[in-house]
Amino acid sequence: AQSVTQLDSQVPVFEEAPVELRCNYSSSVSVYLFWYVQYPNQGLQLLLKYLSGSTLVKGINGFEAEFNKSQTSFHLRKPSVHISDTAEYFCAVSATSSGGGADGLTFGKGTHLIIQP
Amino acid sequence: GAGVSQSPRYKVAKRGQDVALRCDPISGHVSLFWYQQALGQGPEFLTYFQNEAQLDKSGLPSDRFFAERPEGSVSTLKIQRTQQEDSAVYLCASSLGTGIYEQYFGPGTRLTVT
Repeated sequence: AQSVTQLDSQVPVFEEAPVELRCNYSSSVSVYLFWYVQYPNQGLQLLLKYLSGSTLVKGINGFEAEFNKSQTSFHLRKPSVHISDTAEYFCAVSATSSGGGADGLTFGKGTHLIIQP
Repeated sequence: GAGVSQSPRYKVAKRGQDVALRCDPISGHVSLFWYQQALGQGPEFLTYFQNEAQLDKSGLPSDRFFAERPEGSVSTLKIQRTQQEDSAVYLCASSLGTGIYEQYFGPGTRLTVT
């Protein structure tokens, strides 16, 4: 089984400032890692994912995240935020599986990013 | 193209009523997932279909919850004898194939049990 901890339920940031949203996970098996964004009254949208290879992954809207296996972390960063980035951000993991099939995602509780003008 | 759609978007049910929530996945998507998102929480996995086969239902909280996808396309999540703790947003997601493909989420159905 896997679990995901998002350490901050709410992060206020001034516009154009950098931001980091923290995510730690626990798993007894190898995992894939994801960040999703949820705008009000909309479905979840994938920001970026780590499957293998380079530990620094770049996503949409200028976001990036770094996989740190030793610290079991996958923190999300953006160098300069905009008002439009105000949303709920979810970190998620999925167990790597062999032999086909798909796994449901295990999500953290989310971090509400609040951009202040 | 059209994304994942869900209906109804909002549902109010009296305690004890049965409800049915519908999910229309992206055309051609093999995999379909249901999640439950309680207020202030992240989504929690309920069940997974590969075409019409329900391969994982480990997340269904009780035997009052039942899901089907009879023709491998549209899926219905049914909740019998609803209770207040069933109040949540129910999210449906679909993905192109099996294995690690991006899951595309619908807008969800907000269920309120009074």
